[in-house]
Amino acid sequence: EAGVAQSPRYKIIEKRQSVAFWCNPISGHATLYWYQQILGQGPKLLIQFQNNGVVDDSQLPKDRFSAERLKGVDSTLKIQPAKLEDSAVYLCASSFGGAGEKLFFGSGTQLSVL
Amino acid sequence: SQQGEEDPQALSIQEGENATMNCSYKTSINNLQWYRQNSGRGLVHLILIRSNEREKHSGRLRVTLDTSKKSSSLLITASRAADTASYFCATDTGRRALTFGSGTRLQVQP
Repeated sequence: EAGVAQSPRYKIIEKRQSVAFWCNPISGHATLYWYQQILGQGPKLLIQFQNNGVVDDSQLPKDRFSAERLKGVDSTLKIQPAKLEDSAVYLCASSFGGAGEKLFFGSGTQLSVL
Repeated sequence: SQQGEEDPQALSIQEGENATMNCSYKTSINNLQWYRQNSGRGLVHLILIRSNEREKHSGRLRVTLDTSKKSSSLLITASRAADTASYFCATDTGRRALTFGSGTRLQVQP
């Protein structure tokens, strides 16, 4: 089966610019997650969607980050404006059911903010 | 804050040796999962152990869970150079999505 697709793979921007990441989960997976992984750390949850509704966005910096899941399938994560500390890998994951099931991850988008 | 913390942070062994990584967590869990991440790639699920299980095997992997000590260990037997990666434990508390630890970086020397 096709895996979780993410694009772009790499992005370099200057601080205060905006950036968007795209994710296409595995077909039929109801739950989609965005994680932020800073170098040398484990992934940290930013937002969780179930179908097209938000389940948990408590750790999303809402003053600059936004995310949506169109028609319960694809998702985009946007940062505007970016800060230096946003430099990280942004990982999208999906699962068939809800929280607690095993996650399938995409390869991630590596963001460098200069 | 991280729910799970892996120990050691880094481990270097020779091919053929066993590698053991430990994970400690803070609150009660429904299950605990282990993932592998190769450099520059996403995470790949390895094994899931439920709170009522004490040990689980999958190929060269052996996972144990001690809920009284809030800890888990991942043993990779007869390691290979291809096992070089970062390994993360992740806990399901039933209240939110999986929470990941900080990882153990394993280097297997050929």
